[in-house]
Amino acid sequence: NAGVMQNPRHLVRRRGQEARLRCSPMKGHSHVYWYRQLPEEGLKFMVYLQKENIIDESGMPKERFSAEFPKEGPSILRIQQVVRGDSAAYFCASSPEGGNSPLHFGNGTRLTVT
Amino acid sequence: QKEVEQNSGPLSVPEGAIASLNCTYSDRGSQSFFWYRQYSGKSPELIMSIYSNGDKEDGRFTAQLNKASQYVSLLIRDSQPSDSATYLCAGGNNAGNMLTFGGGTRLMVKP
Repeated sequence: NAGVMQNPRHLVRRRGQEARLRCSPMKGHSHVYWYRQLPEEGLKFMVYLQKENIIDESGMPKERFSAEFPKEGPSILRIQQVVRGDSAAYFCASSPEGGNSPLHFGNGTRLTVT
Repeated sequence: QKEVEQNSGPLSVPEGAIASLNCTYSDRGSQSFFWYRQYSGKSPELIMSIYSNGDKEDGRFTAQLNKASQYVSLLIRDSQPSDSATYLCAGGNNAGNMLTFGGGTRLMVKP
């Protein structure tokens, strides 16, 4: 029973490049969440998606960041024109349909902007 | 702004002792609460969930929920050095489909 799959595990980008982070939820899970974690800090919510819908993006920076969860394929978190401050661990989590379910996290993508 | 608050620590306990981790939350509509453990450089791992007032035990872990006081705690009995990690408390929203995380408490268990 595969868990939440994220790739790549590590991503290095130069300032100004684009970063694409991918997440495949657990089998049977239709809700996907993206969180960002800076070194020595807690998890900060970014965006919550269901298939083809963004449910809550209140944690997403207004510019350069976007997310999608298409009908087919993984969820994508896209960061355009990356800056050094974007360096962080980005975690994807999924949960099944319905409320009050725990989130199951992937191993994360560590983004380093040089 | 719905918040979940934790003391950042570090909380240091000797091996074999009981570690007590605490969390408060501001959203009175929260119905679900979770404790995650995160080792350095790793992803959060779910260790306990609790939905109703009282205690819930699972092995060496006991979660406690007091909705009137908006307080959640995690007790770890017979602490081991392998328990040394950051413990994240999370609360669900009214609909139960969103989690807000606290900043985490770093636990250090000394041999």
